[in-house]
Amino acid sequence: DVKVTQSSRYLVKRTGEKVFLECVQDMDHENMFWYRQDPGLGLRLIYFSYDVKMKEKGDIPEGYSVSREKKERFSLILESASTNQTSMYLCASREDGDRGSFEQYFGPGTRLTVT
Amino acid sequence: QKEVEQNSGPLSVPEGAIASLNCTYSDRGSQSFFWYRQYSGKSPELIMFIYSNGDKEDGRFTAQLNKASQYVSLLIRDSQPSDSATYLCAVNVASSYKLIFGSGTRLLVRP
Repeated sequence: DVKVTQSSRYLVKRTGEKVFLECVQDMDHENMFWYRQDPGLGLRLIYFSYDVKMKEKGDIPEGYSVSREKKERFSLILESASTNQTSMYLCASREDGDRGSFEQYFGPGTRLTVT
Repeated sequence: QKEVEQNSGPLSVPEGAIASLNCTYSDRGSQSFFWYRQYSGKSPELIMFIYSNGDKEDGRFTAQLNKASQYVSLLIRDSQPSDSATYLCAVNVASSYKLIFGSGTRLLVRP
């Protein structure tokens, strides 16, 4: 079974703090993703990574950065947290390859509140 | 802008009935289609995927794909109250690692 874990289920931070959200997968997947999910807006892609040290911006990268130093670990960084970054953050991973390997698996999510 | 459209619902069906969830997409180059189930407060869980035109069955679930009409659906037979959740349709972006998600359809199965 694919397992994707995230460092925290719930997190409360103050405005202006630097926030690290960590994601680890144990299936040796090349591709990893960070989404946020908000009521009425659905799942929105923040960043993704297709290899170690490689990253691409998603649809809403502003205010976020990412780091992928090891294949199994993908970190999302909020340089200076703001209240509009209060959300559910979901990490996902997916194997590379042909279309038969496109199944994408999600971690349990981190509900971040910025006060 | 590539889009995936779903009726937000709620779709309410009685226990034991067939629930039919629908999804349309705009990218004609898409080749992979996924259905996720998401319970309130939980992360999405992959339940079905389909790559070829036609039907794919897995237990009580059937995914149907019609690429000409750019339409994918999920049928849930013998619906149970435990099937009550939001169902997300996701479509790959052609020549990309990305998936585009619909906003989800909320399903309520009445006992």
